Amino acid sequence: AQSVAQPEDQVNVAEGNPLTVKCTYSVSGNPYLFWYVQYPNRGLQFLLKYITGDNLVKGSYGFEAEFNKSQTSFHLKKPSALVSDSALYFCAVRDDNAGNMLTFGGGTRLMVKP
Amino acid sequence: DVKVTQSSRYLVKRTGEKVFLECVQDMDHENMFWYRQDPGLGLRLIYFSYDVKMKEKGDIPEGYSVSREKKERFSLILESASTNQTSMYLCASSFRGSSYEQYFGPGTRLTVT
Repeated sequence: AQSVAQPEDQVNVAEGNPLTVKCTYSVSGNPYLFWYVQYPNRGLQFLLKYITGDNLVKGSYGFEAEFNKSQTSFHLKKPSALVSDSALYFCAVRDDNAGNMLTFGGGTRLMVKP
Repeated sequence: DVKVTQSSRYLVKRTGEKVFLECVQDMDHENMFWYRQDPGLGLRLIYFSYDVKMKEKGDIPEGYSVSREKKERFSLILESASTNQTSMYLCASSFRGSSYEQYFGPGTRLTVT
């Protein structure tokens, strides 16, 4: 079985400061990991993914994520937050043995204050 | 750009009504998905289709059915709507293969009264 946890319901950060949104996962095989963002009244937008290779993955809007196999984590990061980054962020995992179904975390609301 | 469209942004239905939610994608994706999104629960998979006329149950299929008669179109059907089906419904599509990301529609907020 595959599962993913986002331990923080909300993260608050000041504009210009670095941000981290946490994600941990559990799979029986090798993980495929994804981050999505959801702005108010919109569907989810793909940000980045880890499939294999370099542990640091770069994505859209200046976001990046670090895959850490020993800690089973895939935290989303950005060096300098913008007010416009305020949104709901979802981490998702797929076990490479589990076909095409993604399992999503519960979501983390990011609030960036000016 | 991938386009996934959903037939309605907002829908209000009465208990017991039959409800159809339509989703169309224009990228020739093999896979299509229906999720519901509830606060604190994230996204939960209702049904998944990997080809025309093919479907698989997700985590919460009870009270729902689906139809995929054409590759680009995936319909979610609530046979007899109930108040606990009030939710945001999201459709997504992707290429076949584990490494491919899913592309989402804008969502339909369904209220059942």
